[in-house]
Amino acid sequence: DADVTQTPRNRITKTGKRIMLECSQTKGHDRMYWYRQDPGLGLRLIYYSFDVKDINKGEISDGYSVSRQAQAKFSLSLESAIPNQTALYFCATSDTLAGATDTQYFGPGTRLTVL
Amino acid sequence: GQNIDQPTEMTATEGAIVQINCTYQTSGFNGLFWYQQHAGEAPTFLSYNVLDGLEEKGRFSSFLSRSKGYSYLLLKELQMKDSASYLCAVRDADSWGKLQFGAGTQVVVTP
Repeated sequence: DADVTQTPRNRITKTGKRIMLECSQTKGHDRMYWYRQDPGLGLRLIYYSFDVKDINKGEISDGYSVSRQAQAKFSLSLESAIPNQTALYFCATSDTLAGATDTQYFGPGTRLTVL
Repeated sequence: GQNIDQPTEMTATEGAIVQINCTYQTSGFNGLFWYQQHAGEAPTFLSYNVLDGLEEKGRFSSFLSRSKGYSYLLLKELQMKDSASYLCAVRDADSWGKLQFGAGTQVVVTP
């Protein structure tokens, strides 16, 4: 079984709809992240959480919100989707107890299309 | 913040060697990562450098020069399956684990 899972894997929605993307991990990591990826722009950080009570904005948080329901679950919401939020979304996790490396491990991604 | 630059695309022949360069500017360096990403898939971790020098892992090696703000990923004995995007990511000392990613280098391996 995959260590980091994302649901749904693909989603097509309409402008103005509320969308939730979910991420679960069985790695036991304390840190979780949400990124979006657009062609030619690389991965950009939306939100990150260092534990259940800690939520922080990334570089492109406008139009998004998150919830850390448990150490293993981190959800990303688009309250009112717009077409320029069409992108590939990745969840990632890392473990601060694994030494100084703090390597991030990525889920399989969710391809979101907003019409 | 960081500026991270890497070439957009490189083409090489199966069995050859390719070197992907990454330059960065950061206020306080705390590690550089290389990831491989096949089209439509998740990035997968390849290597981590925090000290100057070369780290070797099988066919892949990564080099870091902190004074020059420079790293490269070396792919040897190229295989068709190495066709992918290679992402350079930098963590600075003030970012509490956050990474800044370059746009990626698309490597195309030809027969």
